[in-house]
Amino acid sequence: KNEVEQSPQNLTAQEGEFITINCSYSVGISALHWLQQHPGGGIVSLFMLSSGKKKHGRLIATINIQEKHSSLHITASHPRDSAVYICAVIPGTGNQFYFGTGTSLTVIP
Amino acid sequence: DTGVSQDPRHKITKRGQNVTFRCDPISEHNRLYWYRQTLGQGPEFLTYFQNEAQLEKSRLLSDRFSAERPKGSFSTLEIQRTEQGDSAMYLCASSLVQGELFFGEGSRLTVL
Repeated sequence: KNEVEQSPQNLTAQEGEFITINCSYSVGISALHWLQQHPGGGIVSLFMLSSGKKKHGRLIATINIQEKHSSLHITASHPRDSAVYICAVIPGTGNQFYFGTGTSLTVIP
Repeated sequence: DTGVSQDPRHKITKRGQNVTFRCDPISEHNRLYWYRQTLGQGPEFLTYFQNEAQLEKSRLLSDRFSAERPKGSFSTLEIQRTEQGDSAMYLCASSLVQGELFFGEGSRLTVL
């Protein structure tokens, strides 16, 4: 069983739509990361959060520690948002990161 | 460029050969991680260092795999007697303790 589960696995949206990607985890954590990976590209960190909500441009990340759940929202989606979005957690008792399998997002013009 | 750099970016080798990958982390980062990623999957943890000490090693890492970070700066990942199943993207990442994670572009290995 994977410590981190993401949904959906694949998502196709029309340009301009509001997008939500979900992440659930089964361990106590000290922090959660949302990462973005473009096809053939490296991985870029979008957010690191341990409570509440963070916003950067059109991206919003929220976390509910009690429910062990986080969401990544993209407002006014654009084709350049097409990428794989990966949730990663660092357990409170450990030091390595556990990764979800990613959500592949395609935004159609 | 002050990001995480990996070398080589691509490596094609024949089965049975040894390969070595290098990672240069962001200079002040004391944590360095190696991950492996295959198509359609999220990164799988291989090992991590805090400074020069290798603190954790995945059970996925067979005795053909070895990693070093001799001076607490750059790290090398060596795979001996490569097998076709070793074909993957090998990712290096660095961070401060409990800090944001920064990834390199990865080293893609193809074993023929």
